[in-house]
Amino acid sequence: GENVEQHPSTLSVQEGDSAVIKCTYSDSASNYFPWYKQELGKGPQLIIDIRSNVGEKKDQRIAVTLNKTAKHFSLHITETQPEDSAVYFCAFQRGGYSTLTFGKGTMLLVSP
Amino acid sequence: NAGVTQTPKFQVLKTGQSMTLQCAQDMNHEYMSWYRQDPGMGLRLIHYSVGAGITDQGEVPNGYNVSRSTTEDFPLRLLSAAPSQTSVYFCASSPGLWSNQPQHFGDGTRLSIL
Repeated sequence: GENVEQHPSTLSVQEGDSAVIKCTYSDSASNYFPWYKQELGKGPQLIIDIRSNVGEKKDQRIAVTLNKTAKHFSLHITETQPEDSAVYFCAFQRGGYSTLTFGKGTMLLVSP
Repeated sequence: NAGVTQTPKFQVLKTGQSMTLQCAQDMNHEYMSWYRQDPGMGLRLIHYSVGAGITDQGEVPNGYNVSRSTTEDFPLRLLSAAPSQTSVYFCASSPGLWSNQPQHFGDGTRLSIL
């Protein structure tokens, strides 16, 4: 069935460093790739998304890149801050009438 | 806007008890869904609905029932709770199930079954 591999499961960085989380998907028909951030005690919140006709999208310190040939997409966070500490989930969706499939999550810890 | 509201926030049940987790959204979204979140397992889809009167099963539907009588509400029912259903439950909504529609999540119900 459809699945997505998310790595790493945990990531520790120093404040100001960059963080990269990578997801690999199996379904070549996937065309929507969102990233969610989940803070402690809260529900996931969309932080950035990308469609399959775009290779890269940036929003201030966060960016997402998509390689359709290799079937992987990555979240890049630059100049990390302690408030970036959270669990990050990637997800993908096929075209048409289909549900989202989520990765297992990455716990990011940014140390001051 | 309240967005997606889930109640209760916490609940402890005994094995065999029943309960209903409530979910309401005020964004006039057609699509609503329930996920469970377990350590190391990510978010797994339980049931979803594409509109009032229409529901379908997700990845892990066993032990759960849903109904959708209005656009706003999508309750999740546990008929006979089991310890394996101890989890954090999230409700989400989006304008529709077609692609490129971000989902909005509630803050979850933390359920423990003894």
